[in-house]
Amino acid sequence: SQQGEEDPQALSIQEGENATMNCSYKTSINNLQWYRQNSGRGLVHLILIRSNEREKHSGRLRVTLDTSKKSSSLLITASRAADTASYFCATVPNSGGYQKVTFGIGTKLQVIP
Amino acid sequence: EAQVTQNPRYLITVTGKKLTVTCSQNMNHEYMSWYRQDPGLGLRQIYYSMNVEVTDKGDVPEGYKVSRKEKRNFPLILESPSPNQTSLYFCASSEKAPSPLHFGNGTRLTVT
Repeated sequence: SQQGEEDPQALSIQEGENATMNCSYKTSINNLQWYRQNSGRGLVHLILIRSNEREKHSGRLRVTLDTSKKSSSLLITASRAADTASYFCATVPNSGGYQKVTFGIGTKLQVIP
Repeated sequence: EAQVTQNPRYLITVTGKKLTVTCSQNMNHEYMSWYRQDPGLGLRQIYYSMNVEVTDKGDVPEGYKVSRKEKRNFPLILESPSPNQTSLYFCASSEKAPSPLHFGNGTRLTVT
């Protein structure tokens, strides 16, 4: 079953603009993670936010988590052409099954130079 | 260099011919997992392993087997591959669940 669902599924922006991607999930989580995938390659971990955290920053990335709405967002500021990739959220459940990391379908981001 | 290594990178085979995709990590990670990625479906977990000799089913385990006899290796076995197992497969590991995952570069499997 797909726990995380990213929105939008595709996003095209100009270089220098900000990109925002959203993730919704259904069950209680231990943490939520964001990953990046360049075309056909392995996923690379970007940032992890725990259920008791509301916001986290890493360089040009800002992640928020709203557990009451069961949603998270990933903001990439001042985007670059090299940010072109697919972005996935992954949820780790809280109820003893934390070993089952579940990924969403992803948001495909295109940054136009 | 810390990494997860999958082999082969590309594999074309025929229906029913047993195959194994190897996965090895050099980070002494306890947790390892296999995913398949299909267009429009994202990544779906096939099997995972919490430690040596401890494996469990993910969301789509049918048609697959795994083993974890050593900490570093977690091979994926398709005893009798079928065309619906054509997919992009990823192995991943982490220090322990629920830490971030480190992914291999993938194995693109085609079953004709």
